Amino acid sequence: GQQLNQSPQSMFIQEGEDVSMNCTSSSIFNTWLWYKQDPGEGPVLLIALYKAGELTSNGRLTAQFGITRKDSFLNISASIPSDVGIYFCAGRLTVGGYQKVTFGTGTKLQVIP
Amino acid sequence: KAGVTQTPRYLIKTRGQQVTLSCSPISGHRSVSWYQQTPGQGLQFLFEYFSETQRNKGNFPGRFSGRQFSNSRSEMNVSTLELGDSALYLCASSAGNGETQYFGPGTRLLVL
Repeated sequence: GQQLNQSPQSMFIQEGEDVSMNCTSSSIFNTWLWYKQDPGEGPVLLIALYKAGELTSNGRLTAQFGITRKDSFLNISASIPSDVGIYFCAGRLTVGGYQKVTFGTGTKLQVIP
Repeated sequence: KAGVTQTPRYLIKTRGQQVTLSCSPISGHRSVSWYQQTPGQGLQFLFEYFSETQRNKGNFPGRFSGRQFSNSRSEMNVSTLELGDSALYLCASSAGNGETQYFGPGTRLLVL
């Protein structure tokens, strides 16, 4: 099945550092979503973006919907140990009442205390 | 509001058996989608149900089927299980068209 190209695949950072990850696609989306998944659990929605160019924050998280509608990035500032997990982007295209959601390959984040 | 619930959380089956997984969406949500997550393939869309009708389907064989009841609860069935069906099966609900999906904790299926 189709997946979005998400990078980096994994990263190790020191506690307190900022983190940046992004997602790119060959096709456009109406909505970009960012999820975090802890081991053995389902993904939890972090941020939803609905408009090209939109920049949205949720606490230490900031995400942007790319102008071309084919990419999005997520920044985490001042990382803490509980930020550890896998981050997924998802692009959603709603056409004629049907929605199709495509997920990125995931970025595994490890935070070193 | 209670979140999306899935039962069972863990399941072990053997090849050739069939399995039924259950998902209860967030109250008021009418759309339920199912995903398969494996380390190699990531999150793959299986199908979506809205008001008891399947309105979207991913690229999975016919052994994978589902249904939705009038109370929006959904079940997913996999027949003639194969080793490769071992995965975390996630259910997500949303209020409807264009609304954001919220995931359940998943059912981890192991096929031996």
